[in-house]
Amino acid sequence: DQQVKQNSPSLSVQEGRISILNCDYTNSMFDYFLWYKKYPAEGPTFLISISSIKDKNEDGRFTVFLNKSAKHLSLHIVPSQPGDSAVYFCAASGWNNNDMRFGAGTRLTVKP
Amino acid sequence: GAGVSQSPSNKVTEKGKDVELRCDPISGHTALYWYRQSLGQGLEFLIYFQGNSAPDKSGLPSDRFSAERTGGSVSTLTIQRTQQEDSAVYLCASSSTSGATGELFFGEGSRLTVL
Repeated sequence: DQQVKQNSPSLSVQEGRISILNCDYTNSMFDYFLWYKKYPAEGPTFLISISSIKDKNEDGRFTVFLNKSAKHLSLHIVPSQPGDSAVYFCAASGWNNNDMRFGAGTRLTVKP
Repeated sequence: GAGVSQSPSNKVTEKGKDVELRCDPISGHTALYWYRQSLGQGLEFLIYFQGNSAPDKSGLPSDRFSAERTGGSVSTLTIQRTQQEDSAVYLCASSSTSGATGELFFGEGSRLTVL
């Protein structure tokens, strides 16, 4: 069962522009939502998170937006940089960090 | 090091053989996860251990797959009678649930190739 979905397998943006990566989920019991970044031949690394009591969390160039009614979250990167090129995974878990589920990932390419 | 350690980093085996993949989580982390990523696919949940609770095995794809976690620390994922479709990168992650942000710390993965 695909509880976390990333429907765009890839995204290409120009350096300096905004990157918007989208994620949808089906399980209303999810309470924490996270984005992970993965470079080739490395494990995913944590990027940013948001709990269900918030609708926005910002960390430098990265902002995550959560729309609980739509069961949708997005990651905004602005301005995008070539070093941001990686696969981005959306993840969700219950309040006690139980059973974290990941989306299929979106490959972001930022062109110089 | 202080991170999640996985071994072997690469494993090539023949179809029908058994393999064992090892994960050494971050010390003190009570939660341990196994995921796999097949070529061109996302992260597929396999199994989850939390403290002394019974593991959540709902993601294991067949009864050829099993995992154990000894003493609440090191975990071993065993694949019996490997098939070519088992070829993937197997990722282990651990986390601490105390005051958790939900962040998982991943190892670099074990790449399994079944010939």
